[in-house]
Amino acid sequence: AQKVTQAQTEISVVEKEDVTLDCVYETRDTTYYLFWYKQPPSGELVFLIRRNSFDEQNEISGRYSWNFQKSTSSFNFTITASQVVDSAVYFCALSERRSSASKIIFGSGTRLSIRP
Amino acid sequence: EPEVTQTPSHQVTQMGQEVILRCVPISNHLYFYWYRQILGQKVEFLVSFYNNEISEKSEIFDDQFSVERPDGSNFTLKIRSTKLEDSAMYFCASSDTTVAGANVLTFGAGSRLTVL
Repeated sequence: AQKVTQAQTEISVVEKEDVTLDCVYETRDTTYYLFWYKQPPSGELVFLIRRNSFDEQNEISGRYSWNFQKSTSSFNFTITASQVVDSAVYFCALSERRSSASKIIFGSGTRLSIRP
Repeated sequence: EPEVTQTPSHQVTQMGQEVILRCVPISNHLYFYWYRQILGQKVEFLVSFYNNEISEKSEIFDDQFSVERPDGSNFTLKIRSTKLEDSAMYFCASSDTTVAGANVLTFGAGSRLTVL
């Protein structure tokens, strides 16, 4: 069964600090996909990144970077030089290759607050 | 930018009443989803839909729930006899990703359902 664990319920840092959001997943499949979504205070869910299980290369996009490690079943997300606009709930998610419209299971989310 | 549109934004109903939540997915998307989020909690998968049939569904999606794509543009979620615990934000999402499991979801803004 697929499962995503985000152990950090809430994180609060001062602006310009770096922050890492942890994500640990469980799956029996060898082919799967991992995602991060952002939910700002306005409430919508915004896609940030997708990785497949065969691509362990870290990815950097501006101030965002992702570290995927199959050996520890983790897909962590780091924000460098955080800004107040980064304040949101961040969800890690997992999809197994089950069907054409495979379900995506979300973790419980980490609420990130960036203080000015 | 194409978006997923949901109506109503907020609906208040009495326990036992039927509710229909409507979604207009992005026009060239073929994969459709409903999720719900009870206030402050995780985003829970309800159902996915492709080629006019349910692809996957969760344990939450019991006999009181149904989905339909009545006219090729709308995608609806019906709750036949609402319960207090159905109070939540319901998110519709769509995807054009053709690789199974790799679906990147574009979410609507959500429909808040309050059951009294």
